[in-house]
Amino acid sequence: DADVTQTPRNRITKTGKRIMLECSQTKGHDRMYWYRQDPGLGLRLIYYSFDVKDINKGEISDGYSVSRQAQAKFSLSLESAIPNQTALYFCATSDLRGVQETQYFGPGTRLLVL
Amino acid sequence: ELKVEQNPLFLSMQEGKNYTIYCNYSTTSDRLYWYRQDPGKSLESLFVLLSNGAVKQEGRLMASLDTKARLSTLHITAAVHDLSATYFCAVEGNYGGSQGNLIFGKGTKLSVKP
Repeated sequence: DADVTQTPRNRITKTGKRIMLECSQTKGHDRMYWYRQDPGLGLRLIYYSFDVKDINKGEISDGYSVSRQAQAKFSLSLESAIPNQTALYFCATSDLRGVQETQYFGPGTRLLVL
Repeated sequence: ELKVEQNPLFLSMQEGKNYTIYCNYSTTSDRLYWYRQDPGKSLESLFVLLSNGAVKQEGRLMASLDTKARLSTLHITAAVHDLSATYFCAVEGNYGGSQGNLIFGKGTKLSVKP
């Protein structure tokens, strides 16, 4: 089983709709992240959470909100989707307890906003 | 503001050739990460470089870090088709005053041709 899972994997929605992307992890990591990837722009950080009670904005948080329901779950919401939020969204986790704090990425959610 | 620049952004190589991808970053950081992304797939961690002068090798890939020059290189030796992918470098950012966030370069799309 995958360590970091994302649902749904693909989603088509209409402008103005509210949608939620979910991320779950079985790695036992405290830190979780949401990124979006656009062609030619690399990955940009939307929100991150270092534990259940800690939520922080990243580079491009406008238009998004998050919820850390448990150590293993971190959800991203688009309150009112717009076409320029069409992108590939990745959830990631990391663990500072080890020396090497690499991030482990989920499979991604491809979102199309019409 | 921390910036991470990769070059080249596109690289077409012949099998058997050597080449280097460069990653420059704009502020002090002792940690640098390299990831690989295959088309339509998630990101896979390749290397974590934790100190000045760090060098790591895995197969035909070798990564190094010069923190004084704020430069990391990913060297490809005797390229093979299986190395075709997009390679990202990332440096620890500081959103919200917290360490542990990654700022990604835009990626280098590598295509290895027979």
